[in-house]
Amino acid sequence: SQKIEQNSEALNIQEGKTATLTCNYTNYSPAYLQWYRQDPGRGPVFLLLIRENEKEKRKERLKVTFDTTLKQSLFHITASQPADSATYLCALDRGSTLGRLYFGRGTQLTVWP
Amino acid sequence: GAVVSQHPSWVICKSGTSVKIECRSLDFQATTMFWYRQFPKQSLMLMATSNEGSKATYEQGVEKDKFLINHASLTLSTLTVTSAHPEDSSFYICSAPPPVNTDTQYFGPGTRLTVL
Repeated sequence: SQKIEQNSEALNIQEGKTATLTCNYTNYSPAYLQWYRQDPGRGPVFLLLIRENEKEKRKERLKVTFDTTLKQSLFHITASQPADSATYLCALDRGSTLGRLYFGRGTQLTVWP
Repeated sequence: GAVVSQHPSWVICKSGTSVKIECRSLDFQATTMFWYRQFPKQSLMLMATSNEGSKATYEQGVEKDKFLINHASLTLSTLTVTSAHPEDSSFYICSAPPPVNTDTQYFGPGTRLTVL
């Protein structure tokens, strides 16, 4: 069955540094992969989508890479700020209907001043 | 921009009662909506796909008679947890697929259900 692993439950970094989060998956070849931000008690907020034929995508301070050979995506936040502290979720499409997703458990990022 | 809302944001009920959760797309139409459930420190798990004008599609292991889904219109889907028990206590979140020509998938703010 499909399995998604996010590298660690928690990541603590200093303000201004680059945060790098990892998402690995097995037993599947997704057409696309998404990253979300989730704050406590809130629904996920979409950040970026990257397709299987794309290697890298950027949006402001965010960068996502997608290596379908390694079955891995890296999510980078450059010049991190305390306001970036949240849980970041990786999600893969489940095929068939657009929007059906498998989610990882997330990595809780804390950026300290 | 497109927004998905949920009501209520939280609900506490007694064991054995039924609870209805509403999910609305506020400025776009959604023929399909998704219902997820999230337990503390766990990932979001897809429960079912709600289809306007037809029956919902449930994921393996989800009891369709316990989690009733109705997609009443192009902007409203409801999830009813019937005969709720404490183990149904969770965070329920709905989602709509990306609007045409966009990549953004919108999630509702979630509904915290606590069954006593």
